[in-house]
Amino acid sequence: DTAVSQTPKYLVTQMGNDKSIKCEQNLGHDTMYWYKQDSKKFLKIMFSYNNKELIINETVPNRFSPKSPDKAHLNLHINSLELGDSAVYFCASSHQGRSNEQFFGPGTRLTVL
Amino acid sequence: AQSVTQLGSHVSVSEGALVLLRCNYSSSVPPYLFWYVQYPNQGLQLLLKYTSAATLVKGINGFEAEFKKSETSFHLTKPSAHMSDAAEYFCAVSDLGSSYKLIFGSGTRLLVRP
Repeated sequence: DTAVSQTPKYLVTQMGNDKSIKCEQNLGHDTMYWYKQDSKKFLKIMFSYNNKELIINETVPNRFSPKSPDKAHLNLHINSLELGDSAVYFCASSHQGRSNEQFFGPGTRLTVL
Repeated sequence: AQSVTQLGSHVSVSEGALVLLRCNYSSSVPPYLFWYVQYPNQGLQLLLKYTSAATLVKGINGFEAEFKKSETSFHLTKPSAHMSDAAEYFCAVSDLGSSYKLIFGSGTRLLVRP
């Protein structure tokens, strides 16, 4: 029943490791997003895919690499994790369109030690 | 560039009192505006949105917001606060252009006192 799901919910890892977060939506949307929420709750877009094509790539270190194998999935791989990567990462999806609501997943809390 | 400003990082009200959360936007074109709520350890949920139809928008859980072009504002209100309204509230504007990313304000934490 979950509309937008993310795994894992919590991720604790050491500096320098590589990790992935997965996102899936069952809403039939054509556009998916990754947002980062920092410790002060500020939310910022990182990436967006429309029909598996990258359409937003904000100023994000190239250690972050999104991958969209199909319209229902958008994964985020992070290489060489740093302390500053600790945050909550949210996946969202929508139909493409300026007025369209984005549906958010529950978030993945990443802690880098 | 479009932007959103939320005045007040924390707002505290008594249960049953009026809730007013402020949001001002900056946009060179008619904006599309959203209010989202985030409960602790959860994702964001849409409360309501303005997409150039009626200026008074009603949302879920008794919330509403009024779009005022002259004031570039989209404040969120609820006549009577409930304990369950305690959460983080985000105002957002939909970006102009094909990307349609959401640009969020810094959020307002609503505290409801018994």
